Amino acid sequence: QSVLTQPPSVSAAPGQKVTISCSGSSSNIGNNYVSWYQQLPGTAPKLLIYDNNKRPSGISDRFSGSKSGTSATLGITGLQTGDEADYYCGTWDSSLSAKVFGGGTKLTVL
Amino acid sequence: QVQLQESGPGLVKPSETLSLTCTVSGDSVSSATYYWSWIRQPPGKELEWIGYFYYSGSTNYNPSLKSRVTISVDTSKNQFSLKLTSVTAADTAVYYCARVKRYCSSISCYPNALDIWGQGTMVTVSS
Repeated sequence: QSVLTQPPSVSAAPGQKVTISCSGSSSNIGNNYVSWYQQLPGTAPKLLIYDNNKRPSGISDRFSGSKSGTSATLGITGLQTGDEADYYCGTWDSSLSAKVFGGGTKLTVL
Repeated sequence: QVQLQESGPGLVKPSETLSLTCTVSGDSVSSATYYWSWIRQPPGKELEWIGYFYYSGSTNYNPSLKSRVTISVDTSKNQFSLKLTSVTAADTAVYYCARVKRYCSSISCYPNALDIWGQGTMVTVSS
């Protein structure tokens, strides 16, 4: 059972928009920055979003992040087949004194 | 360009010690800006934080693994290492090393985003 809760899967058609939620508590998302990672099949995770809503250099502006209270959301617009991957949220949990991740969400572009 | 590369045995026997090394290029493990961490991912499962090392000598470990984990640094080789003792089949996973941004509030500092990852190395625990 992951500390952060994500939907197991989401799907949408090419060109459409999708959102992925990440729910936590006051000891993690509520008081610390959230980051999002994309893991393409058979590869290492890659940082997509940090500090709730910032994109590293080279990351498309089709990816966006937001946070409200104890939940965070990743948004992806203009879906492409190359976006099919597992997406993970992560943050620091001040009570556990540990980095925690969501269970991951598998994105399917129909 | 910063790169991290994991190395170590791909097969470890039950009850023995898993040892992995991460070689860093393009940055220094003595940097005050980052933590150097290990994460693992069992086949078909989610990411699990193992812990980090900070240049000051401080470490932090996942409470569920704390009794079996040691992360250390060799500054002369610009490497950091993971040792996990008394392994079982449950420790079978892809092990990743990563650079982690350090964030400091007015109260404390903690690991923020994992901005650079190694490619990962599969470790199987089996006799």
